[in-house]
Amino acid sequence: DQQVKQNSPSLSVQEGRISILNCDYTNSMFDYFLWYKKYPAEGPTFLISISSIKDKNEDGRFTVFLNKSAKHLSLHIVPSQPGDSAVYFCAASFLSGTYKYIFGTGTRLKVLA
Amino acid sequence: DADVTQTPRNRITKTGKRIMLECSQTKGHDRMYWYRQDPGLGLRLIYYSFDVKDINKGEISDGYSVSRQAQAKFSLSLESAIPNQTALYFCATSDLLGGLETQYFGPGTRLLVL
Repeated sequence: DQQVKQNSPSLSVQEGRISILNCDYTNSMFDYFLWYKKYPAEGPTFLISISSIKDKNEDGRFTVFLNKSAKHLSLHIVPSQPGDSAVYFCAASFLSGTYKYIFGTGTRLKVLA
Repeated sequence: DADVTQTPRNRITKTGKRIMLECSQTKGHDRMYWYRQDPGLGLRLIYYSFDVKDINKGEISDGYSVSRQAQAKFSLSLESAIPNQTALYFCATSDLLGGLETQYFGPGTRLLVL
């Protein structure tokens, strides 16, 4: 049973446009969410996070939105750049500081120059 | 220099062989993790350790064992490798800043079991 789902395996966007990556979760107890970016032959790198007390968190070109009622979060990248081409994983966890991240299956983003 | 290193980066082995994957970190973190990534399945937790004397099973620990030799070192062993353990393996460390945990990943070990 996949508790964290990324239903789009891939996404292509033109350079300069907005990239929107989506993530859905089923466990309403999750209260901490993260996005990781992964380039080929490298490990995932932390990008941005949000706790459930907020509905938006912004860091430069990256913004994460959280809709708790819909159990949905999204990552917006504006403007998209070719260097953003990577696989993006969302993860859900608990603010109580337990070990467990539950990862989605990833979305491969390709930004076209 | 990388903060989280994994050796080897690639490994081919045969069914039934014992192999060890090693992870070292210079971040000074207490918490360390082993994950595996399979196509279409994301990352799944194998084992984790909150300090040298603490070892815990994750969601897919069967067929694996770990050893936390020091704060900086966490190794994963496959006692008798089987083909469905072919995967990409990641080690991670984490810290707690302001009550929020962030995990930092190594570059991965690609394992092929024939």
